[in-house]
Amino acid sequence: NAGVTQTPKFQVLKTGQSMTLQCAQDMNHNSMYWYRQDPGMGLRLIYYSASEGTTDKGEVPNGYNVSRLNKREFSLRLESAAPSQTSVYFCASSGGGGREVHSDTQYFGPGTRLTVL
Amino acid sequence: AQSVTQPDIHITVSEGASLELRCNYSYGATPYLFWYVQSPGQGLQLLLKYFSGDTLVQGIKGFEAEFKRSQSSFNLRKPSVHWSDAAEYFCAVGALDSSYKLIFGSGTRLLVRP
Repeated sequence: NAGVTQTPKFQVLKTGQSMTLQCAQDMNHNSMYWYRQDPGMGLRLIYYSASEGTTDKGEVPNGYNVSRLNKREFSLRLESAAPSQTSVYFCASSGGGGREVHSDTQYFGPGTRLTVL
Repeated sequence: AQSVTQPDIHITVSEGASLELRCNYSYGATPYLFWYVQSPGQGLQLLLKYFSGDTLVQGIKGFEAEFKRSQSSFNLRKPSVHWSDAAEYFCAVGALDSSYKLIFGSGTRLLVRP
């Protein structure tokens, strides 16, 4: 059982380049999330998807777009990367949908370490 | 709005010693409280969570946490630390009015001396 998988594990971009971070879960979860982790700041939510076809902005959505391709997959796109987007990105999923997020256990992927030069 | 504070950035303990990691939250009602652990190079894993009922919660890997409403705290404890416990620990709070999100603290990095 793979759980939550993320690709790539590492990426280096130049300012202005674009890329898509991929995330997939095999636990039949309804909700999926994208976070970024920066030193001393914990995890901050970028975008959230309660179910296939729905997405909501989190705390720090600027500069990002997401696609909930199907129930399994939730991708994060950087259209024009900036050095401020250098971070570690985590995808997570949880079983419930909608407002259950406050009580659900979230399952995390191993992360993508992104550097923007 | 709710918030979470983990006042200790780093903590170092000797193997076999007891451990307490502090977490304070700000929220008007009873929140949903979580502790997650992140081993080096890994994603986060749930250790335990509290919603209601008994204020002492048992988790995986021998960890426990106690909810103290009067102190707005949810401290994580372990009676005897193992070298494999070296990791970063995050406290998080979820609430009904949180607009689909958990709020994470900034984390405490635990170092274990042999």
